[in-house]
Formats: sequence, C-alpha cells, structure tokens
Amino acid sequence: AQSVAQPEDQVNVAEGNPLTVKCTYSVSGNPYLFWYVQYPNRGLQFLLKYITGDNLVKGSYGFEAEFNKSQTSFHLKKPSALVSDSALYFCAVRAVNTNAGKSTFGDGTTLTVKP
Amino acid sequence: NAGVTQTPKFRILKIGQSMTLQCAQDMNHNYMYWYRQDPGMGLKLIYYSVGAGITDKGEVPNGYNVSRSTTEDFPLRLELAAPSQTSVYFCASSSPDRNTYEQYFGPGTRLTVT
Repeated sequence: AQSVAQPEDQVNVAEGNPLTVKCTYSVSGNPYLFWYVQYPNRGLQFLLKYITGDNLVKGSYGFEAEFNKSQTSFHLKKPSALVSDSALYFCAVRAVNTNAGKSTFGDGTTLTVKP
Repeated sequence: NAGVTQTPKFRILKIGQSMTLQCAQDMNHNYMYWYRQDPGMGLKLIYYSVGAGITDKGEVPNGYNVSRSTTEDFPLRLELAAPSQTSVYFCASSSPDRNTYEQYFGPGTRLTVT
C-alpha cells in the first residue's frame, strides 16, 4: 500500500519570505513523487516530480522539492513567495511498479501568501 | 493540444436520475483515471483504465461505471444518483513513458445531487 501525509492543512507566509509545504510518504520499494497545484475552480496542474537522480528537483514557477529517502519526505519549497502562489497544493506518490501509474494523493495544503 | 477536456462543467441532478460525464484526451495517453474531490479532502480514485477495452475499479467505485472504447475517451456513468455523489469530478491521463509519468487533469465537473 502507498500513502501520503501532508501534515499542515494551511500554510501562511508573507510575500517575499521563503515557503515550505511538507509531505511525507509511505511506499513499498522506490517511490516516484509529484507535486501538483490547484487554483480555485480549476483542475490540478503538475509542478514537479522526482523519478530518479538528483535529490533536489526544480519545477515550474520557481518551485523546488527535496527528496529525502531516510526521512521519507518530499517537501516543496520556494525561496521567495508571491501572492500569486496562493493555491491548494497536493503531494502524490506512486511505487515504481504500481499498476497503471496509479498515484495516491495527500489531502492537500492551502498556501496563503499575504502582501 | 487541448489536453484533457471534460463536459459538462456543472450539472444538477435529482435523486435517482442518471448521467454520463464525458472525458477526452488528445495526448495519446494509455492511462486514464476518474477521481472525485470532496470539500477539504484529497482525490479519491473511482475507476481507471490502462488502455482501450480495459478498465478497473479504484478506491470508491460504487454507484459508478466506466467504459473505454477508444484511447481518447473515458466516460463515467452515474446510475441512480444519490446526494453522496455530490462532488467535483476530475478526469486525468498519463503515459507509461517515464518522461511523462505525471498526470494531466481536466478542468472538472461540479455535480450536485438534490
């Protein structure tokens, strides 16, 4: 079985400050990890992924995430937050050998960036 | 590329009515998925498909049916709608190509059953 935990329902940061959205996972074997963003009344959009290789992955809109195998974490980060980053963020995991590429999604973290 | 498209955007159903939510993708993806998203919750997988003619149940399949006659289309059928099926429904697709493991989502269908 695979699972994802996003321990914070809500993260609030001031514009210009660094932001972190936390994600931990559980999976049998090696994981593939993803972050998605959802703006109001829209579908999810892919931000970045870890498949293999470098533990630090960079994605869209200046976001990055660090894969930490020993802590089973994949936290999303950005050095300087923008008001336009305010949205709902989902972490997702799938095991390398998962049938049909099925991912398990966390419950989401609402990021609010205040001017 | 239109990506993943869904129709309708909104729908109100009466209890006991039926409807089909349409989903199409133009990326030639083998894998397709249907999710529901309830307020404050993550995504729950309803059904998925690995290719034309092959479908399987996800976590919450009761009250739903799917078919996949072509690579492009993956409709979701609700029979005998119930208030518990009030939700936002998302269709998604992905590829077994390791360069595109991520899922691509449609804009969603907001369904209310009263």
